[in-house]
Amino acid sequence: AQTIHQWPVAEIKAVGSPLSLGCTIKGKSSPNLYWYWQATGGTLQQLFYSITVGQVESVVQLNLSASRPKDDQFILSTEKLLLSHSGFYLCAWSRDRGHTGQLYFGEGSKLTVL
Amino acid sequence: GDSVTQTEGQVTVSESKSLIINCTYSATSIAYPNLFWYVRYPGEGLQLLLKVITAGQKGSSRGFEATYNKETTSFHLQKASVQESDSAVYYCALSDPGGADRLTFGKGTQLIIQP
Repeated sequence: AQTIHQWPVAEIKAVGSPLSLGCTIKGKSSPNLYWYWQATGGTLQQLFYSITVGQVESVVQLNLSASRPKDDQFILSTEKLLLSHSGFYLCAWSRDRGHTGQLYFGEGSKLTVL
Repeated sequence: GDSVTQTEGQVTVSESKSLIINCTYSATSIAYPNLFWYVRYPGEGLQLLLKVITAGQKGSSRGFEATYNKETTSFHLQKASVQESDSAVYYCALSDPGGADRLTFGKGTQLIIQP
């Protein structure tokens, strides 16, 4: 069975500090990987996606970056956090493109920027 | 761009009563989007509840149903008799079957079941 694990579960960070959120998928080779974000009271929106190691496409510009250093790992990061980065971050994977199939989400990371 | 509008905020329903959560979509560049309902139960990750990829078809899961209505651009979620275990946040979403790797979500509806 496939599993997806996100870390950390929650973070409280200061404005201007760096951030790294991670996601690991086990039991599935070459998954498509995604980062989603939901601001408080806002809509879940896709930030990045990756279909292979080393390749990441940006969907929304939020002064964040993403990397896929290994087939089963997806990292979201920034060197300087903004207040607007607060929210809930979800990592997800899928078997195919176009979302005719199912998207599998992690449990999420809650980020509070003060 | 594409958008999804669903019943906002919180919906409270008494146990064994019927439920409807409204969802309408606007897909300016997609003739026939794929439509989904996702759910997040307390303490769990977001998971697929049901999906429909063909206009006019109905999807069902765990007693919930939703029909893809292209004429009214709607995909309302219904259940005839809710249970306490249905308490969760429900999200309507659409995607482009043409290959764009993106789900467009509604804002989510929190369902509270009163015993």
